[in-house]
Amino acid sequence: QKEVEQNSGPLSVPEGAIASLNCTYSDRGSQSFFWYRQYSGKSPELIMFIYSNGDKEDGRFTAQLNKASQYVSLLIRDSQPSDSATYLCAVRGDSNYQLIWGAGTKLIIKP
Amino acid sequence: DAMVIQNPRYQVTQFGKPVTLSCSQTLNHNVMYWYQQKSSQAPKLLFHYYDKDFNNEADTPDNFQSRRPNTSFCFLDIRSPGLGDAAMYLCATSSGRDTDTQYFGPGTRLTVL
Repeated sequence: QKEVEQNSGPLSVPEGAIASLNCTYSDRGSQSFFWYRQYSGKSPELIMFIYSNGDKEDGRFTAQLNKASQYVSLLIRDSQPSDSATYLCAVRGDSNYQLIWGAGTKLIIKP
Repeated sequence: DAMVIQNPRYQVTQFGKPVTLSCSQTLNHNVMYWYQQKSSQAPKLLFHYYDKDFNNEADTPDNFQSRRPNTSFCFLDIRSPGLGDAAMYLCATSSGRDTDTQYFGPGTRLTVL
């Protein structure tokens, strides 16, 4: 069974520091990877997607993909208290319409 | 702004009393999804529609049904809610093309008494 693993946390990071969130996946053939942010009681909100090995940057966020090692990470630079949320990693499954989800990492940014 | 809308945002029902949740989208996306999410868990896919083609996940209970009368609207029917069905129900859409990203509505929080 295809799986996506994330450390549940909580991960506590001081304000202004870099938060690093990691995700590993079991299916070596996976091609598409997504990071969503979910505030408590709210729905998931897309932060970034990445398809190619290497880094992809968008503002304070950088997604890193290493297909050989089967992990994808999300870096948040200059962390703000508003970044405190659960971060969900999702990997495309067998079909274009299926995402395999991790259970999320809870991030807490301490002022 | 193009968006995914869910109604109601909060729904309280009694054990065994049918309930219908609705989702509409202005993104003109081909694919619509229903997820169930319980506290501290990953979203669990219940069904998806590609246009009018319905796809049921193998482990979705028969108690859950769905309808998509047109491109913009999709409904989730829970025929006889049990206490274990209390959850956040999320509707999402995607274009259906290769670089497919799912966009979520705000969710409906279902409480079963």
